[in-house]
Amino acid sequence: QLQLQESRPGLLKPSETLSLTCTVSGASLYSSSNYWGWIRQPPGKGLEWIGSIYHSGSTYYNPSSSLKSRVSISVDTSKNQFSLRLVSVTAADTAVYYCARLGIAARRPKIDYWGQGTLVTVSS
Amino acid sequence: QSVLTQPPSVSAAPGQKVTISCSGGSSNIGNNYVSWYQQLPGTAPKLLIYENNKRPSGIPDRFSGSKSGTSATLGITGLQTGDEADYYCGTWDSSLSAVVFGGGTKVTVL
Repeated sequence: QLQLQESRPGLLKPSETLSLTCTVSGASLYSSSNYWGWIRQPPGKGLEWIGSIYHSGSTYYNPSSSLKSRVSISVDTSKNQFSLRLVSVTAADTAVYYCARLGIAARRPKIDYWGQGTLVTVSS
Repeated sequence: QSVLTQPPSVSAAPGQKVTISCSGGSSNIGNNYVSWYQQLPGTAPKLLIYENNKRPSGIPDRFSGSKSGTSATLGITGLQTGDEADYYCGTWDSSLSAVVFGGGTKVTVL
């Protein structure tokens, strides 16, 4: 059974860097013909896609002004993990962050496996 | 503001049917597949429908999806109290090169 588990960074201060790791069990990132990625949800609000990565390292990122140029996603197939890095965080980045499997085609999102989510709070 | 537009809420009595609309444009729904997700309170979203109208294994046929032009619809028949949740549509936007979601619709069983 495929499972995804996010790391838990907890509380960050404004201007710090958020680093999250998703550990995948039950499937190999190296041999998986799937995109993997990150989605976040601010408290009481809707879903926002952050970005996706293929095991080869090919990436897509949300071009929105709230995220553009601050995000990077990487994959470590030897550890069966992929990671999110978000620099210069502000209170607006406070959200539950989910890692997920997004399907075999970047342009055909089928988000069928989700982590349980981890709450990241940015506050001084 | 979300790229895809959903009604904030819909409601119906147990056993009845509800439909949730998801409106977009030619760069997203009009030329790409739509998926739907159910999010029960305090939990991660769950895939209900993919490629417009396909159900993953284990999703009852009370849930259905359709697409016409630049709009998509999720239908839920035989409404149950356990269906009370937030529902999101999602697709790819070819102009943005991004996965986009609707703002979500809260389903209330009266």
